[in-house]
Amino acid sequence: EVQLVESGGGLVQPGGSLRLSCAASGFIFSHYWMTWVRQAPGKGLEWVAHIKEDGSEKYYVDSVKGRFTISRDNAKNSLYLQMSSLRAEDTAVYYCMRDPWDWGQGNLVIVSS
Amino acid sequence: NFMLTQPHSVSESPGKTVTISCTGSNGIIVRNYVQWYQQRPGSAPTTVIYEDKRRPSGVPDRFSGSIDGSSNSASLTISGLKTEDEADYYCQSFDGNNWVFGGGTKLTVL
Repeated sequence: EVQLVESGGGLVQPGGSLRLSCAASGFIFSHYWMTWVRQAPGKGLEWVAHIKEDGSEKYYVDSVKGRFTISRDNAKNSLYLQMSSLRAEDTAVYYCMRDPWDWGQGNLVIVSS
Repeated sequence: NFMLTQPHSVSESPGKTVTISCTGSNGIIVRNYVQWYQQRPGSAPTTVIYEDKRRPSGVPDRFSGSIDGSSNSASLTISGLKTEDEADYYCQSFDGNNWVFGGGTKLTVL
């Protein structure tokens, strides 16, 4: 059974940093693109970033470029999202995803003073 | 920028068939795969259609996807509606290396 378990969310002040993690199991992690998608309260889904199987290609939505970094550790079956210079508009539930089938349960990030 | 447009809401009765459309802002929708995601209230999204018309294992064949090149649109059709199908549905495709989501459609089954 595929499992994607996000962690690392919480409350952070504007301008602060946070690192999300996604622990994957039930599939060969190194064989798949992985993606972060977020959902602001009461809003729709927004793609944030994705990363190629070997980490050699990474793509970001314009609003997070230069502030967020996606990475992966295939030896640990883990996906990460390093978020810095956080803004109020980054407040959202962040989902880890194995393209295009499986989703994690989501992890809430609140950016507020 | 490429956009995907969905109706804000649709409603239909149990046992009936409903179709949700997803229209691309340019001809790109026929050149890239479309996925459909279901999100029930208070839950994470799940994938119901990928690569235009393929269903992940466990998704009933009441769910089907299609592409209409002439109208640059994708559609999600749900037949034999059940109350458990009440959810938000999002289409998603690609703009180069980036993903694009539609704004979502709230399906009410009443």
